[in-house]
Amino acid sequence: EAEVAQSPRYKITEKSQAVAFWCDPISGHATLYWYRQILGQGPELLVQFQDESVVDDSQLPKDRFSAERLKGVDSTLKIQPAELGDSAMYLCASSLERRTEAFFGQGTRLTVV
Amino acid sequence: RKEVEQDPGPFNVPEGATVAFNCTYSNSASQSFFWYRQDCRKEPKLLMSVYSSGNEDGRFTAQLNRASQYISLLIRDSKLSDSATYLCVVNIDGMRFGAGTRLTVKP
Repeated sequence: EAEVAQSPRYKITEKSQAVAFWCDPISGHATLYWYRQILGQGPELLVQFQDESVVDDSQLPKDRFSAERLKGVDSTLKIQPAELGDSAMYLCASSLERRTEAFFGQGTRLTVV
Repeated sequence: RKEVEQDPGPFNVPEGATVAFNCTYSNSASQSFFWYRQDCRKEPKLLMSVYSSGNEDGRFTAQLNRASQYISLLIRDSKLSDSATYLCVVNIDGMRFGAGTRLTVKP
């Protein structure tokens, strides 16, 4: 069964350091999402790609977060510098196209100390 | 106003009970609707899509009322294994999640 791959699974970093997460969506999926989820809350959309283009990054803190999907396949989300409040689960999801259901990777659990 | 709002919960029910979750959405242009299930510290997984005519999958029934911008999920004959957080999802050219409602089914 095709899966969304994410790495790393866990990351501990010191505040003010840079951190990066990687996602490989299901093959053929044009839409890719990055979500942030704080314990006890629902996933919050950070950025949505359609192929290599950003279609929604309105909730992405652009002073410190960046995301790219250069060839319209895998994607990287970066935080520079990390802050204590960035501690959360970062989830990547993909879907065949914008209106269809999304499938999630296992997530990266980030702890900033 | 949030795009997707759910019952705050938590719901604690005995095995065999029927439980209903409600969800409202703010954007009338929303195109598709889903319920996801999320186990503790795991990723969300698709439970079922929600269609205008209503749809059923075993013990689970989903309903959509476009006029009221309201979605529901009914679970009949609850099992211990149904304990999880249930996330309402609305698609507006992309997936938007509610905060989730936690369900605990007790023996």
